[in-house]
Order: sequence, then structure tokens, then C-alpha cells
Amino acid sequence: GESVGLHLPTLSVQEGDNSIINCAYSNSASDYFIWYKQESGKGPQFIIDIRSNMDKRQGQRVTVLLNKTVKHLSLQIAATQPGDSAVYFCAESPVGGGATNKLIFGTGTLLAVQP
Amino acid sequence: DTEVTQTPKHLVMGMTNKKSLKCEQHMGHRAMYWYKQKAKKPPELMFVYSYEKLSINESVPSRFSPECPNSSLLNLHLHALQPEDSALYLCASSQDQTTDTQYFGPGTRLTVL
Repeated sequence: GESVGLHLPTLSVQEGDNSIINCAYSNSASDYFIWYKQESGKGPQFIIDIRSNMDKRQGQRVTVLLNKTVKHLSLQIAATQPGDSAVYFCAESPVGGGATNKLIFGTGTLLAVQP
Repeated sequence: DTEVTQTPKHLVMGMTNKKSLKCEQHMGHRAMYWYKQKAKKPPELMFVYSYEKLSINESVPSRFSPECPNSSLLNLHLHALQPEDSALYLCASSQDQTTDTQYFGPGTRLTVL
């Protein structure tokens, strides 16, 4: 079946270092991918998204890379800060062209930033 | 403004109670969603409303009853819940049901005793 998974359930980094969170997906028909950040006791917060016709997209301190050949998605956070500590979910939307948008979430990675 | 609000923040209810969760957005979005999230798990889709009509019901038990009174509001009515229904209930919205970016509210933490 379709699934979105993460390689590392927990990632611990030093403040100031760069972080890379990985995600694998299995549905080659997926058209759209999103990264969400969820802090303890809060709802998921949109970080950045990318469509399947792109392989890289940059935001403020964040970059998403999409490798369709190996069905891999990654989120890079530059100069990681304590406020970046949270659970990060990737999600894919396996449909396009007018069908209902149903996000499939990965299992999540806990990013712990050490001061 | 990408704000989705939810009330209450916390809710404790008995198995015989009837309660409602509320969600509101003023972004002009025409698709709204209810998700359930258990601890340390990803959100699971429950319902999708599109233009105030129920579009998707992910085989959710009838003790959960959604309602969309208008394009800005989404309710989830709860009745005869079980302790295993305790979870974080998240509301989200998107421009329409085919537009992919969903924006989430802060959630309601529900505890069923």
C-alpha cells in the first residue's frame, strides 16, 4: 500500500548546526509534498511545500529537496535553533487534477536541539 | 492570515456526555477537515467538508457527528464516546478540496473518562 515513512525517529543536533530530516514515500503518483512542524501541545504548522515538477525549494532557513528517482524527500534546516525543537512530519498528496486532497502523513521525526 | 481557531483547548467528558468541538477560519477557505491524533502518531483524517457539504467520511463511528453551519465554521458533535477516543482533535482548512496546502488549528485535547 501507499506509505510515507521516515528513516530516523529522533534526531539530536547541536545549536547552530544544520539539520537534515529525511522521508521516504512509496507512491510514485504523488504530486505534492509538505513539511509540517508540530511543537508539543500545538497543531501542525506549515513549513514548506514542493510539487513534483520541482526538485528543490528554499524558504527562510529551510530547504526541501525532492528526489523522485528514489522517492525521497528531505528537509534541511540551517543554523538550527532551540526553537526548532519539535516533531516534523512529511506528508504527501497522492492525487492531483481535481481529485480530493487527502494528505498521507509520515510517522514523524523528533528534532532535539542541544544548546 | 493563516489562522484556524479551535475551542475548547481542553475537554474532559464522561462516556454518557454530549459535547461539541468548534473550529473557525476566516481565510475564505472552502474545504475544512477534522483529524484525530493520538500521542506520538501522525494525524489521521476523519472528515472532509467541501463547500459546506460532507465530501469524505473515513469510516468514522457514528458517535462522531460533523456539521458545517457555514463556510467559516466546522463543528464536531460527540456523543457516547469511549476512553479510546481520547486524543488531540485537529481542524484544518484549505482553499478548496483540490488545493493542497492545509492549515491546521491548535487542536482540542479530549479526554474521555
